[in-house]
Amino acid sequence: DQQVKQNSPSLSVQEGRISILNCDYTNSMFDYFLWYKKYPAEGPTFLISISSIKDKNEDGRFTVFLNKSAKHLSLHIVPSQPGDSAVYFCAASDGTSYGKLTFGQGTILTVHP
Amino acid sequence: DAGVIQSPRHEVTEMGQEVTLRCKPISGHNSLFWYRQTMMRGLELLIYFNNNVPIDDSGMPEDRFSAKMPNASFSTLKIQPSEPRDSAVYFCASSSYGAGDTQYFGPGTRLTVL
Repeated sequence: DQQVKQNSPSLSVQEGRISILNCDYTNSMFDYFLWYKKYPAEGPTFLISISSIKDKNEDGRFTVFLNKSAKHLSLHIVPSQPGDSAVYFCAASDGTSYGKLTFGQGTILTVHP
Repeated sequence: DAGVIQSPRHEVTEMGQEVTLRCKPISGHNSLFWYRQTMMRGLELLIYFNNNVPIDDSGMPEDRFSAKMPNASFSTLKIQPSEPRDSAVYFCASSSYGAGDTQYFGPGTRLTVL
């Protein structure tokens, strides 16, 4: 049972345009959501997070939107840069389980110059 | 500040050999997680600890896998005997449970079992 799903395995975007990565979840107990970025041969690195009490969180070029009624979150990158090319994972926590996160399968983002 | 440290970064071994992967979490973190990444399964959670105590090992694929955390600054993941299907990248991550659930990952160990 996949509680966090990233339905798009890959996304290709032109440099300077917006990248939108999507994530859906099924567990209504999730109350904290995160995005991680992963380059080849490196570990995932934390990018941005959002609590369920908010519907938007912004950090520079990165904005995460949360739609609790639809159980959907998205990551917007504006403007996209070639260095943003990586695998992006969304993850969710229910605030218990000692910090356990449930990860999606990842989306490969390619930003073309 | 030092992040999560994993060793070795690469390990090549022959089927049947014992493999030990090591992890040093971020100082002050009280939860530690072991993951395996494969093309087929993505990021799989194998086991996690809180305050050095194993909480959930239901993700450990077989009895050949074991993990320990003898103190707050060190954990091992052992595979004995290793098999070719264990070839993957193994990540360790740590977090400060009670102060947010953000996990910080190490660089991973790429394991190849021949």
